[in-house]
Amino acid sequence: DAGITQSPRYKITETGRQVTLMCHQTWSHSYMFWYRQDLGHGLRLIYYSAAADITDKGEVPDGYVVSRSKTENFPLTLESATRSQTSVYFCATSETGGSRLKETQYFGPGTRLLVL
Amino acid sequence: AQSVAQPEDQVNVAEGNPLTVKCTYSVSGNPYLFWYVQYPNRGLQFLLKYITGDNLVKGSYGFEAEFNKSQTSFHLKKPSALVSDSALYFCAVRDMRNTGKLIFGQGTTLQVKP
Repeated sequence: DAGITQSPRYKITETGRQVTLMCHQTWSHSYMFWYRQDLGHGLRLIYYSAAADITDKGEVPDGYVVSRSKTENFPLTLESATRSQTSVYFCATSETGGSRLKETQYFGPGTRLLVL
Repeated sequence: AQSVAQPEDQVNVAEGNPLTVKCTYSVSGNPYLFWYVQYPNRGLQFLLKYITGDNLVKGSYGFEAEFNKSQTSFHLKKPSALVSDSALYFCAVRDMRNTGKLIFGQGTTLQVKP
């Protein structure tokens, strides 16, 4: 059971280039999330999705685009990468809804992105 | 406003001693509370959660947490620390306005010295 996978695990790109980070889950969880983690800022939510074709902005959405055409995939695109987007990006899923016991988020291994 | 606070950036403890990592929260209504651990170069791993019921929650790797409603706290504890417990710990609370979202604290680095 693969759970959550993220690709690539490491990426170096240049300012102005478009970059897409992939997130894939095998659990069919309804919710998916994208966070970035930076020193001094902890985890910040970029975008999230409650189901296929339903997405919403988080705390820091500017410069990012998401889509969710299938339940299992939630790609994050940096339309024109900037140095301030150098960070570690985490995808997460949760099986929220229908039961209070389902609320836990499960995280992928992360993608380290360096924008030169 | 809903928030989570982890008042200590770092906690140092000797191996074998008890450890406590502090967390306080501010939400309206009954909170759903979580602890996660992050080892270097890894994603966050779920440790335990409080939804309802017994105020003392037991989780993975011998960790437990005590929910205290009057003090709005959810401190993480372990009776005997291991060097391998050294990691970054995050407390989180469910966003009561948006089902599914979690609000994370800034994280506390735990250093366990031999």
